[in-house]
Amino acid sequence: EAAVTQSPRNKVAVTGGKVTLSCNQTNNHNNMYWYRQDTGHGLRLIHYSYGAGSTEKGDIPDGYKASRPSQENFSLILELATPSQTSVYFCASGADREDNQAPLFGEGTRLSVL
Amino acid sequence: QQKVQQSPESLIVPEGAMTSLNCTFSDSASQYFAWYRQHSGKAPKALMSIFSNGEKEEGRFTIHLNKASLHFSLHIRDSQPSDSALYLCAVSQGGRALIFGTGTTVSVSP
Repeated sequence: EAAVTQSPRNKVAVTGGKVTLSCNQTNNHNNMYWYRQDTGHGLRLIHYSYGAGSTEKGDIPDGYKASRPSQENFSLILELATPSQTSVYFCASGADREDNQAPLFGEGTRLSVL
Repeated sequence: QQKVQQSPESLIVPEGAMTSLNCTFSDSASQYFAWYRQHSGKAPKALMSIFSNGEKEEGRFTIHLNKASLHFSLHIRDSQPSDSALYLCAVSQGGRALIFGTGTTVSVSP
C-alpha cells in the first residue's frame, strides 16, 4: 500500500537549535514535497525535489534547507530554529504525472520552537 | 507566482443539502486541478482531480473546471456530517508542485 511516513510526529525545539524532519515514501515516486500548514494560510510549499540529489525552492524557502539523498527519503532542515517556524509540517510524494495518482501526504509533524 | 484563492472561508450546511466550494487561480498555464479534504488532525487526502475543461462526477462529488475564467469548483450532493472538514483546492502545471488555496472549513449540521 502506498505510504508516506514522517518522523518525528511531534517535536519541541529550542530557539537557535537545529531541527531535522524526515520523510520516507514507499511509492517509488520521483517527486517529493515539504509544506507547512498554519491557520489562515492553507498549505505553503517550502522545498521540493524531482529525484535523488535534486532540491528546488518553493514559495517560502527562507530559513529551511532540504536534502534528498535517495528516491525514498527527503529531509527538511532548520539550521537555526525560530519561534516563527512553529507549525505543522507535511511531506508528500507524487508521480511525474498526476493522472497516475494524486500526490500522497504523510500524517504531519507538529513542531514547536520555544 | 501562482495565486490560488478559495471562497467562502467557512460555511455551515444542513445535512442532506448541497455544498458548493469555489477556487480561483492566477496562472492560465495551469494543467492539473485537485480538491483535497482534511479532517481535523489528519493528513490531507485527495478527493478528485481534473485536467480538462468541463465536469467530472464521482459519487456525491462533482468538480467543474473553466480554464478561461480561471475557476474551478467542488459540489457535494447530499452532504453528511462525515463531510465536515477543511477542503483545500490545489493547482499545478502538470507534474510540478501543487500550490494550495487557504481552505474552506465545512460544517454539516445534523
